[in-house]
Amino acid sequence: EPEVTQTPSHQVTQMGQEVILRCVPISNHLYFYWYRQILGQKVEFLVSFYNNEISEKSEIFDDQFSVERPDGSNFTLKIRSTKLEDSAMYFCASSRYGGTSYREQFFGPGTRLTVL
Amino acid sequence: TQLLEQSPQFLSIQEGENLTVYCNSSSVFSSLQWYRQEPGEGPVLLVTVVTGGEVKKLKRLTFQFGDARKDSSLHITAAQPGDTGLYLCAGGKYGNKLVFGAGTILRVKS
Repeated sequence: EPEVTQTPSHQVTQMGQEVILRCVPISNHLYFYWYRQILGQKVEFLVSFYNNEISEKSEIFDDQFSVERPDGSNFTLKIRSTKLEDSAMYFCASSRYGGTSYREQFFGPGTRLTVL
Repeated sequence: TQLLEQSPQFLSIQEGENLTVYCNSSSVFSSLQWYRQEPGEGPVLLVTVVTGGEVKKLKRLTFQFGDARKDSSLHITAAQPGDTGLYLCAGGKYGNKLVFGAGTILRVKS
């Protein structure tokens, strides 16, 4: 069964460094998302992406964050200058349908980001 | 701000018992998705309900979407230790993001 994959599974970085989290969505899906989950807290929406554009972003997704679909398979989240509070699990998700249809989102296993 | 309140936060029951988890909001959602999440892993989709009053069954799990599409419930019949885990509800609108509840930690003791 097709699934969303993410790499790396765990990333440790120093405060102020740039990190890139990578995702391979399900192949026939058109809508891509990033969420994060700080330890012990709710899963929070960061950004959604369709047709090579951001379609919605949360207030968390500030200028330090960017997303890109550099080729036909990968979807990346970049954090330019990491802060201690960026430490969290980052989940990529994808869905096939859009427009006015409901969007059933399938999640990857996550990348645990630890900022020291 | 759209919020989804889940209750209870924690549930510990004996094997064979029945249980219900609730997900409530003051907002209307176009869909309500239930996920199960294991520690250190991503949420795994269990079911999606989209029509007010809809009921879906997945083996011993029964999911219901409220008539007004503001609330949902997950009922487990004859719980088993393998049902232990974190259950999340997430509401979607005709847009992009899912709004997640805080989750219900279920522990089924044998």
